[in-house]
Amino acid sequence: NAGVTQTPKFQVLKTGQSMTLQCAQDMNHEYMSWYRQDPGMGLRLIHYSVGAGITDQGEVPNGYNVSRSTTEDFPLRLLSAAPSQTSVYFCASSYGGTGEKLFFGSGTQLSVL
Amino acid sequence: EDKVVQSPLSLVVHEGDTVTLNCSYEVTNFRSLLWYKQEKKAPTFLFMLTSSGIEKKSGRLSSILDKKELFSILNITATQTGDSAVYLCAVVSMEYGNKLVFGAGTILRVKS
Repeated sequence: NAGVTQTPKFQVLKTGQSMTLQCAQDMNHEYMSWYRQDPGMGLRLIHYSVGAGITDQGEVPNGYNVSRSTTEDFPLRLLSAAPSQTSVYFCASSYGGTGEKLFFGSGTQLSVL
Repeated sequence: EDKVVQSPLSLVVHEGDTVTLNCSYEVTNFRSLLWYKQEKKAPTFLFMLTSSGIEKKSGRLSSILDKKELFSILNITATQTGDSAVYLCAVVSMEYGNKLVFGAGTILRVKS
């Protein structure tokens, strides 16, 4: 009964490094998304996918890439980390393509020095 | 620009008190409004509201939506220390493939 699993839970990067945040769900959800949460700003949508092979940008996509080769996995890639990307990242999924009633992973705390 | 504003930003109450959390919104092509509770980590779903004037209820929590005035309230009666959390309001806009627009949240602390 895993739900949405994110790894790693914590990560520290140096400016310019790249890395991939992993997200997997075992609920056969069509919709998956990535959010970042910053103090005082709420959760902001980075990228989302309504099914395998289909991805699209949210409101803050710059500096991030995604792919969706399977229904289960939706990794988020940071191409060249910047201090402005220091944040808590959440992966979330939902049944169907509407993006409502999201199930969230436990988050990744990322610090970029 | 889509916007969701929650108030108050934070509040402290004593066990047994009743609290009302507010959420107002301006979004393009409104579809639904959702409330989430965030304790230490992942937000968890509480309610989804799509129709005006129909109260959703779960135990001591209830919520109602006013689509004419563009706001929703979340009520918690007989508060307990376990209700301490950040409460997030999100509105689903049919732009960008039904994206959720989140408010900044209300931090609730219930003292024993």
